[in-house]
Amino acid sequence: GNSVTQMEGPVTLSEEAFLTINCTYTATGYPSLFWYVQYPGEGLQLLLKATKADDKGSNKGFEATYRKETTSFHLEKGSVQVSDSAVYFCAQNRGKLIFGQGTELSVKP
Amino acid sequence: EPEVTQTPSHQVTQMGQEVILRCVPISNHLYFYWYRQILGQKVEFLVSFYNNEISEKSEIFDDQFSVERPDGSNFTLKIRSTKLEDSAMYFCASSEAPDRAYGYTFGSGTRLTVV
Repeated sequence: GNSVTQMEGPVTLSEEAFLTINCTYTATGYPSLFWYVQYPGEGLQLLLKATKADDKGSNKGFEATYRKETTSFHLEKGSVQVSDSAVYFCAQNRGKLIFGQGTELSVKP
Repeated sequence: EPEVTQTPSHQVTQMGQEVILRCVPISNHLYFYWYRQILGQKVEFLVSFYNNEISEKSEIFDDQFSVERPDGSNFTLKIRSTKLEDSAMYFCASSEAPDRAYGYTFGSGTRLTVV
């Protein structure tokens, strides 16, 4: 079936470190792919998206590229900040959003 | 920026009681959704709603659950007889269209605790 798998958390980084959160999907056809972020005590916010193969979504210094050949949509940021501490969810849209399990990121000063 | 509003933010109820979770979607959105997140687990789809009827529902959304759009602005999720395992964060979301390219706007959630 259609699913999304993310790397296990929590991920702990120092400020200004490079971030990668892996995400892979299984799907029939070519879904749109999303990253959502959940800050403590808040709801899910759309971070970025890509709607077709080789598209790159970007926002707030975060990037992710839709890789059809590896069925992946890894989230990257070159230099994280303490304010990036949150839970990050990868998702695919198959007429409804299907989420991965979430990856908690903690950035230390 | 338009928001999806959910009330209450936290509800505690006794097992067997009925609860109604309320949501006000973005005004020009036509598609509405409920998701839930059990503590420490993934965000799970419950139901989608369009044109005053359910479009799709998951296995979780059994006869104990119902949704309603009682007026032009509210979208509610009712659990008739709550169980301990219904304790979770419930998120409402809305979208302009079900097109796969669209993301959803989520509310801040209602934390339901069944005791």
